[in-house]
Amino acid sequence: AQSVAQPEDQVNVAEGNPLTVKCTYSVSGNPYLFWYVQYPNRGLQFLLKYITGDNLVKGSYGFEAEFNKSQTSFHLKKPSALVSDSALYFCAVRDLKSSGDKLTFGTGTRLAVRP
Amino acid sequence: EADIYQTPRYLVIGTGKKITLECSQTMGHDKMYWYQQDPGMELHLIHYSYGVNSTEKGDLSSESTVSRIRTEHFPLTLESARPSHTSQYLCASSENTGTGISPLHFGNGTRLTVT
Repeated sequence: AQSVAQPEDQVNVAEGNPLTVKCTYSVSGNPYLFWYVQYPNRGLQFLLKYITGDNLVKGSYGFEAEFNKSQTSFHLKKPSALVSDSALYFCAVRDLKSSGDKLTFGTGTRLAVRP
Repeated sequence: EADIYQTPRYLVIGTGKKITLECSQTMGHDKMYWYQQDPGMELHLIHYSYGVNSTEKGDLSSESTVSRIRTEHFPLTLESARPSHTSQYLCASSENTGTGISPLHFGNGTRLTVT
């Protein structure tokens, strides 16, 4: 079975500072990893994905994520946070070996960026 | 911006009523999904479809049903709504690339309240 964990319910950061939103995963095969963002009263929007290749993945709005196989992590990062980045962030994993192509989401991390 | 639409955005109904939540996409995607997002913001897959006349139950047991008569349309029906059905329902679609790596495109959701 596949699973993903987001250990922090909320992350607080000051505008202009770097931010990290943590994600760890568990799969039986090779993971396909995704990050999504949800703004209030909206659906989820795709930010970036890791399939294979370079461990550092760049995505939308200046976000990037680092895949670490040994630590089974896929943390979301941004060098300089904006107030407008405040939203709910979801990590998700897909393991073709065990679950076909169904996506499993983490519980979400609320990012609050203060001015 | 993904072209996937959900109606209504908000719905308040009484117990025992039959309701249908509409979801349509104009991208020609074969795969469509329904997620239930609870107050804690966690997402649970309740139904999915890989194409016309294909429907499957997801990971979370649900009293709802779905149909897929047309590629672009994936409605969800509750025959008799109960207060426990109060939640946000998110519809999503993705391309059928055969590899399971295409990201999901989400609608803005329907927030259902059953009184």
